[in-house]
Amino acid sequence: NAGVMQNPRHLVRRRGQEARLRCSPMKGHSHVYWYRQLPEEGLKFMVYLQKENIIDESGMPKERFSAEFPKEGPSILRIQQVVRGDSAAYFCASSPSTQASSYNSPLHFGNGTRLTVT
Amino acid sequence: QKEVEQNSGPLSVPEGAIASLNCTYSDRGSQSFFWYRQYSGKSPELIMSIYSNGDKEDGRFTAQLNKASQYVSLLIRDSQPSDSATYLCAVPPAGNNRKLIWGLGTSLAVNP
Repeated sequence: NAGVMQNPRHLVRRRGQEARLRCSPMKGHSHVYWYRQLPEEGLKFMVYLQKENIIDESGMPKERFSAEFPKEGPSILRIQQVVRGDSAAYFCASSPSTQASSYNSPLHFGNGTRLTVT
Repeated sequence: QKEVEQNSGPLSVPEGAIASLNCTYSDRGSQSFFWYRQYSGKSPELIMSIYSNGDKEDGRFTAQLNKASQYVSLLIRDSQPSDSATYLCAVPPAGNNRKLIWGLGTSLAVNP
């Protein structure tokens, strides 16, 4: 029973390159969340997606960042023209669709992708 | 005022003692509260959730919620060295249960 799968675990990019982070939710989960964790800032919500829909992207920077969750395949968080300030751990979490309206459904986190921008 | 506040620690307790971790939140309308544990370099792992005032016990862990005072705490009884981690308090804002607001975490060290 695989949990939330994220890859790669570690990603190194030079400034100006693109970073693509992938997340496969737990089996049966159709809700995906992306969070970013910086050492001095803690975990910050970025975006919440369901299959083929962005539900809440209020935490996404306005430029360079985008996310998708296609009908088939993993969710992708894409960062264009990366800068040093993008270096962080990016966590994906999922929850089951049957609990979409319940506030007590816990999030299951993947192991994260640690992005380093050189 | 930060939305979710925790003492950063480190909190150091001897093995077998009770560790007490506190969290305050600013949104009076929040209805659910979560404690996560995060080991260094790992992802957050849910420890406890609580929704009603009072205590909720699960094994060595007890969560306490006081909505009037806007605080939630986590007690760890019989602390073990394996409990050494950062404990994160997470609260969804009122009306938006899909978006957790996180404290910065309290670092706990349990000394053998």
